[in-house]
Amino acid sequence: AQSVTQLGSHVSVSEGALVLLRCNYSSSVPPYLFWYVQYPNQGLQLLLKYTTGATLVKGINGFEAEFKKSETSFHLTKPSAHMSDAAEYFCAVSEMSDMRFGAGTRLTVKP
Amino acid sequence: GAVVSQHPSRVICKSGTSVKIECRSLDFQATTMFWYRQFPKQSLMLMATSNEGSKATYEQGVEKDKFLINHASLTLSTLTVTSAHPEDSSFYICSARAASGGAGETQYFGPGTRLLVL
Repeated sequence: AQSVTQLGSHVSVSEGALVLLRCNYSSSVPPYLFWYVQYPNQGLQLLLKYTTGATLVKGINGFEAEFKKSETSFHLTKPSAHMSDAAEYFCAVSEMSDMRFGAGTRLTVKP
Repeated sequence: GAVVSQHPSRVICKSGTSVKIECRSLDFQATTMFWYRQFPKQSLMLMATSNEGSKATYEQGVEKDKFLINHASLTLSTLTVTSAHPEDSSFYICSARAASGGAGETQYFGPGTRLLVL
C-alpha cells in the first residue's frame, strides 16, 4: 500500500527566500505523485503532479518538484517565497484507485 | 480547471439529527468521487470511494450505516451523516475524478463543508 511522509509539520521562511517542502513516498508500483495547497477553510488546489516522463515538474505559482526514484522523494520547491504562499501543503500519492495524503506542512512566510 | 462544489459550506445541527452534504462536479463527469474528513491541523483521511451507480467502498473503521454515500449520477454524490453526534463535528471534503481517469488522473476538490454538531 502506498504512503507519504512529509518531513516537518511547520516550515518558516522569509519573504524572497527559497521554499523547500519535503516529501517521501512508499509505493509498490511506479507512483503518481501530487502536491496540493490548502488555504484556511478551503478545499485543496492542485499545484503540480508527476505521472510519467520528465522528473522535474513545474506547477502553478512558481512551484516545482522533482521526482527522485532512488531517494523515493518528491520535494516541492520555489526559488522565492511570497507572502501569499503561506498555507498548508499536502503531498499525495496515488497507486491504484485512491489517493493517500501526507500529514501536511504549514508554510509561514515572514515579511 | 475543473470545478467541484459542495453544499452547504457550513452546517450546525443538534445531536441526533441527520445532515446531508452534496458534492457536484460542475463542468465534467466524475465516475469516481471521494469523501474525506479533516480534523483541525491534520491531514485528510479518506472515508470512502464512490463510483457512479454502485455501492461506495468504505475505508476500514468508517461506519457504513453512519455515513451514507449515494452517487446517483456522474455529477452528484451525497454524504449523509445519520444521527450526528458531537464527535462527528469535522471538516468534510469531497473530490471528483474525471470519467476517463485512473490513478494518475487529477482529483479536483470541493471547498469543504464544516459540520458542527451541538
